[in-house]
Amino acid sequence: EVQLVESGGGLVQPGGSLRLSCAASGFTFSSYAMSWVRQAPGKGLEWVSSISGSGGSTYYADSVKGRFTISRDSSKNTLYLQMTSLRVEDTAVYYCATPRDTVTTFSPAYWGQGTLVTVSS
Amino acid sequence: QSALTQPPSASGSPGQSVTISCTGTSSDVGGYNYVFWFQQNPGKAPKLMIYEVSKRPSGVPDRFSGSKSGNTASLTVSGLQAEDEADYYCSSYASSNNLLFGGGTKLTVL
Repeated sequence: EVQLVESGGGLVQPGGSLRLSCAASGFTFSSYAMSWVRQAPGKGLEWVSSISGSGGSTYYADSVKGRFTISRDSSKNTLYLQMTSLRVEDTAVYYCATPRDTVTTFSPAYWGQGTLVTVSS
Repeated sequence: QSALTQPPSASGSPGQSVTISCTGTSSDVGGYNYVFWFQQNPGKAPKLMIYEVSKRPSGVPDRFSGSKSGNTASLTVSGLQAEDEADYYCSSYASSNNLLFGGGTKLTVL
């Protein structure tokens, strides 16, 4: 059974940094792309970033490009999102997700329960 | 790129059918067969209901079906049940390697 468990969320001041983690189990982590998707309070879903199974290719939404960095550690079966220069508008629940197959990258099928990031002074 | 366009709300009585539309462009919905539909209940993570336009993951009732015509994808829920009341989001792969979501549709079972 695929399991994704996010952690690392919390309250941070504007301009601050935070690193989110997503612990994966139940599948061969290094074979699957991974993604981060966020949802601001009371709002819709927004894709944030994706990374290939090897980690060699990364993709970002324009809204976070240059501020967020996605990475993965296959020895720990863990996905990361390093967030810097945080803004109030980055406040959201952040979900990690993975596809159903090893071929696609942008096809979130399995989702974690999410971790809340609040950016406020 | 802009988000995909969904109606903010939809409704139907138990047993009826309801269709939710998702309109994009030729650079996303119309250009690729990577359209997805998610169901989200309050406080919960999204759940995949349809992938690659019309495929259903195991465990999803066959009352849920997906289709696409041109730049518009659709989710149809047949034989509405009270448990279908939720928010529904469409999503599509878009050119330049990104993923777009619709604004979401709140489905109410009357």
